[in-house]
Amino acid sequence: SQTIHQWPATLVQPVGSPLSLECTVEGTSNPNLYWYRQAAGRGLQLLFYSVGIGQISSEVPQNLSASRPQDRQFILSSKKLLLSDSGFYLCAWSGQGMGTGELFFGEGSRLTVL
Amino acid sequence: KNQVEQSPQSLIILEGKNCTLQCNYTVSPFSNLRWYKQDTGRGPVSLTIMTFSENTKSNGRYTATLDADTKQSSLHITASQLSDSASYICVVSALGGSYIPTFGRGTSLIVHP
Repeated sequence: SQTIHQWPATLVQPVGSPLSLECTVEGTSNPNLYWYRQAAGRGLQLLFYSVGIGQISSEVPQNLSASRPQDRQFILSSKKLLLSDSGFYLCAWSGQGMGTGELFFGEGSRLTVL
Repeated sequence: KNQVEQSPQSLIILEGKNCTLQCNYTVSPFSNLRWYKQDTGRGPVSLTIMTFSENTKSNGRYTATLDADTKQSSLHITASQLSDSASYICVVSALGGSYIPTFGRGTSLIVHP
């Protein structure tokens, strides 16, 4: 069966510090991978998606970046965090192909920037 | 522009009561519509999927309906339980050309004992 792991689950970072969130998927190959952010009491905002190794599409201009160094690994990074980067970050995967398949989400990473 | 609008934004009901959540969309061409349940502090989980030819689909106490002509969907929860307290998100996918489904902002449901 397929599983998705996301870590760390919680982190508190000072403004200007770097960020690295990691997501890995097991039990499938060539998944579409997604990073979403959810501000408190708000809907999910798509940040990045990837349809293959090294292929990253950005949906929102910001100080975040994403990388996909391996087929089932997706990393969200920042060189310098802003207060506005606080939120709940969710990684998700779907089957290969156009985005009509079910999205399977990780458990999320709650980031607080102070 | 593809959009998904959900109503109400929030809802409070008593345990054992029924409720209905609404979703209107402008996504075209339509592929499918999913309802997700997101417990607080967790990732969303799919409840149902509706395709163009389907009008009604049930998953336990959850029943989703789809009117493809009016581009509306509803999620009906029967005999609510405390564990139904969550955010319910409507997500619509388009045919061809996009890897990105369109998300509604969700309805926050609170079930009180």
